[in-house]
Amino acid sequence: QVHLVESGGGVVQPGKSLRLSCAASGFTFSAYGMHWVRQAPGKGLDWVAAISYDERNENYGDSVKGRFIVSRDNVKNILYLQMNSLRAEDTGRYFCARMDTTTSLDHWGQGTLVIVSA
Amino acid sequence: VMTQSPISLPVTPGEPASISCRSNKSLQHTNGFNYLDWYVQRPGQSPQLVISMGSDRASGVPDRFSGSGSDTDFTLKISRVEVEDVGVYYCMQGLYAPRTFGQGTTVEIK
Repeated sequence: QVHLVESGGGVVQPGKSLRLSCAASGFTFSAYGMHWVRQAPGKGLDWVAAISYDERNENYGDSVKGRFIVSRDNVKNILYLQMNSLRAEDTGRYFCARMDTTTSLDHWGQGTLVIVSA
Repeated sequence: VMTQSPISLPVTPGEPASISCRSNKSLQHTNGFNYLDWYVQRPGQSPQLVISMGSDRASGVPDRFSGSGSDTDFTLKISRVEVEDVGVYYCMQGLYAPRTFGQGTTVEIK
């Protein structure tokens, strides 16, 4: 059974950094691309970043490009999101999701909440 | 840019429902597949895949859900809405980087 568990969220001041983790289990993590999607309070879904199964390719949303870095550890089965120069508008729940062979996001974690506030 | 309509959809249980999603660029790859997914976020839950590649129901999704369309115009239909179908439905394109979601359509019971 596919299981994705995010952690690392919390309250952080603007300009600071935070690293999110997504622990994966129940599938061969190293065979799947992975994504981060966020949701500001009361708002819709906002795609953040993706990394290929072999770490060779990364993509970022325009609003986070140059500030966020997605990475993964295929030995520990963990996906990461390093968030730097955080802004108030980065506040929201961050979900990790697995990308299936059709490129759809077929399994999602429960999310971790990030609040950027002074 | 992904544009959904309507933004809010009140429905009566047992009646059909339809949501539209339009892209400003073609979502049909040269391989013939349309890279358009539908997701639902039920109250208090994480998003869940409903339809992939425009028309393929995800595992475990009831057959009252169907997806259709091609190129720039896509539709999600629920043949007979049930109470458990309430939530916000999003379309998402997977052909171009960065991926983009529609603004969401809230399905609620009348």
